[in-house]
Amino acid sequence: DSGVTQTPKHLITATGQRVTLRCSPRSGDLSVYWYQQSLDQGLQFLIQYYNGEERAKGNILERFSAQQFPDLHSELNLSSLELGDSALYFCASGHWDTQYFGPGTRLTVL
Amino acid sequence: GNSVTQMEGPVTLSEEAFLTINCTYTATGYPSLFWYVQYPGEGLQLLLKATKADDKGSNKGFEATYRKETTSFHLEKGSVQVSDSAVYFCALSDPPHSGGYQKVTFGTGTKLQVIP
Repeated sequence: DSGVTQTPKHLITATGQRVTLRCSPRSGDLSVYWYQQSLDQGLQFLIQYYNGEERAKGNILERFSAQQFPDLHSELNLSSLELGDSALYFCASGHWDTQYFGPGTRLTVL
Repeated sequence: GNSVTQMEGPVTLSEEAFLTINCTYTATGYPSLFWYVQYPGEGLQLLLKATKADDKGSNKGFEATYRKETTSFHLEKGSVQVSDSAVYFCALSDPPHSGGYQKVTFGTGTKLQVIP
């Protein structure tokens, strides 16, 4: 158990919809990283927050956004969903050189 | 930009066999190198890391040596167990600097299956 929690575990939705994925970092960790894992793209870094502020952006689409709240939990919002957004979404916390990953949210867009 | 190339899987080995999973990288300067492991149904876990040339990272019987001259960081284990069955990811990041974020670039992963 990494100490990072993610909800929900599974999410099934339709194209055009909007969903919110939630992540709680390990106790004491200020950073949250979001990743997308798909069969064709592998593991892609999306975005990092540190203590409530956006720190870095990776390959995140404009339809996606994230935020980190004062209690340090983070939410990843995915809108106007497309079939290609179906993937595993991981969040991680910790330092850049030692990241602790949550179990992931599997998103299926039908 | 940075990139990581791993050997294609799946790799299937008998228990107690020797394991090598190849990883080579492209980066400027002296990146930090990592191996992460993903067990079925779980998130990634850091297995080992090395931050400078000739460093050897080791954990749970796994080892990898940072080879700057061949830009490689191959993962090895002398005797694999069924419980080692997982997907292994090689990764790199830029060396640390003040401020900013050291983006971690992951390879595509290599699936290892160990049969009794």
